[in-house]
Amino acid sequence: GNSVTQMEGPVTLSEEAFLTINCTYTATGYPSLFWYVQYPGEGLQLLLKATKADDKGSNKGFEATYRKETTSFHLEKGSVQVSDSAVYFCARSGNTGKLIFGQGTTLQVKP
Amino acid sequence: GAGVSQSPRYKVAKRGQDVALRCDPISGHVSLFWYQQALGQGPEFLTYFQNEAQLDKSGLPSDRFFAERPEGSVSTLKIQRTQQEDSAVYLCASSRGGVSGSSYEQYFGPGTRLTVT
Repeated sequence: GNSVTQMEGPVTLSEEAFLTINCTYTATGYPSLFWYVQYPGEGLQLLLKATKADDKGSNKGFEATYRKETTSFHLEKGSVQVSDSAVYFCARSGNTGKLIFGQGTTLQVKP
Repeated sequence: GAGVSQSPRYKVAKRGQDVALRCDPISGHVSLFWYQQALGQGPEFLTYFQNEAQLDKSGLPSDRFFAERPEGSVSTLKIQRTQQEDSAVYLCASSRGGVSGSSYEQYFGPGTRLTVT
């Protein structure tokens, strides 16, 4: 089964609202954790990552902290923009470096 | 520089036909991954190459799926006797690092959307 679980979408927010997308994982050991984003009509691209416990990944105003005690990597942004509308995927590394993805969360930001 | 490219971008196949999907990774990238993404789902791992060696094929769903990377660069994913459940977007990704580089960023191509009718 899938070992990365994300909150279901779609998430609909007004511009400048606070965003949280929850992500939890199961794994043996200490995987690297990632958030990937897929904008409409574009390919998957890395948004941020964290490679060890308590690391905080950040990019474009988004942040996520690697929480070993709760096996979580929640994505947050203080003030979303319409241009942030996309599908967000949480992922963890597996053996041989493959990525194990969650099912994705669609974010819609309305002006 | 050029990113990961895939061809064709769209492929329609009749059930029972064989298809071949091509991936051109970023030049010099050691690792190459194939993923399958069903509609509304996250990508699922199919297979992994380090240079020309296929080190992990645990995600290939059946023996109808075959992948190769003979010269450690371009890779081809072949699906024989396609079935409707094979309809999905097939993503290729490459990364700079080898097996131990689990933190290396994977760069994804645009995908090939396969529709089996």
